[in-house]
Amino acid sequence: ETGVTQTPRHLVMGMTNKKSLKCEQHLGHNAMYWYKQSAKKPLELMFVYSLEERVENNSVPSRFSPECPNSSHLFLHLHTLQPEDSALYLCASSQVMDATNEKLFFGSGTQLSVL
Amino acid sequence: SQQGEEDPQALSIQEGENATMNCSYKTSINNLQWYRQNSGRGLVHLILIRSNEREKHSGRLRVTLDTSKKSSSLLITASRAADTASYFCATDDYNQAGTALIFGKGTTLSVSS
Repeated sequence: ETGVTQTPRHLVMGMTNKKSLKCEQHLGHNAMYWYKQSAKKPLELMFVYSLEERVENNSVPSRFSPECPNSSHLFLHLHTLQPEDSALYLCASSQVMDATNEKLFFGSGTQLSVL
Repeated sequence: SQQGEEDPQALSIQEGENATMNCSYKTSINNLQWYRQNSGRGLVHLILIRSNEREKHSGRLRVTLDTSKKSSSLLITASRAADTASYFCATDDYNQAGTALIFGKGTTLSVSS
């Protein structure tokens, strides 16, 4: 176990559905991340929260909406997704020290299929 | 944006052989990290090497860093079938403090017994 828990493990949704992905970290870290992993593509950074404040949003479509209510929890709210959004969504946490990034701890991911 | 590029994309070897993967990146870094991913799972951190280090060891892993060439290599010695996985390098950007790690496309390693 990495100390980062993601739920659900698998999710199938229609394009008109609204769903949320959940991530929880038990490591006392001060930063959390959402990454998207599609087949044959590098991991894409979607959102970064540092000290519960969103500090980076890599031009992700508005149909993805992150929420970080506290330093241990991170959500990704999904609505009106497209089939090309089908991917493995990975949550990670880290302790950012002296403005440099130490190692990331990843959850097992949510495998999302959009029909 | 900053990105590591791994080479080769895929590598197939026999158990007991050594596996070498390379990573190239574009800008100055604070550190470079290697991760492993089993199919459909999250990534697991393997090793971190800082910009002022040239070589680091952890068990059967050996990582080198050449900042003048902006490249790194990961060597897995005496490979085992359980080493079969995808391996990724990740870099931060020295000029953008606190920026999240950016990953390459990865090398898929297959170790057959």
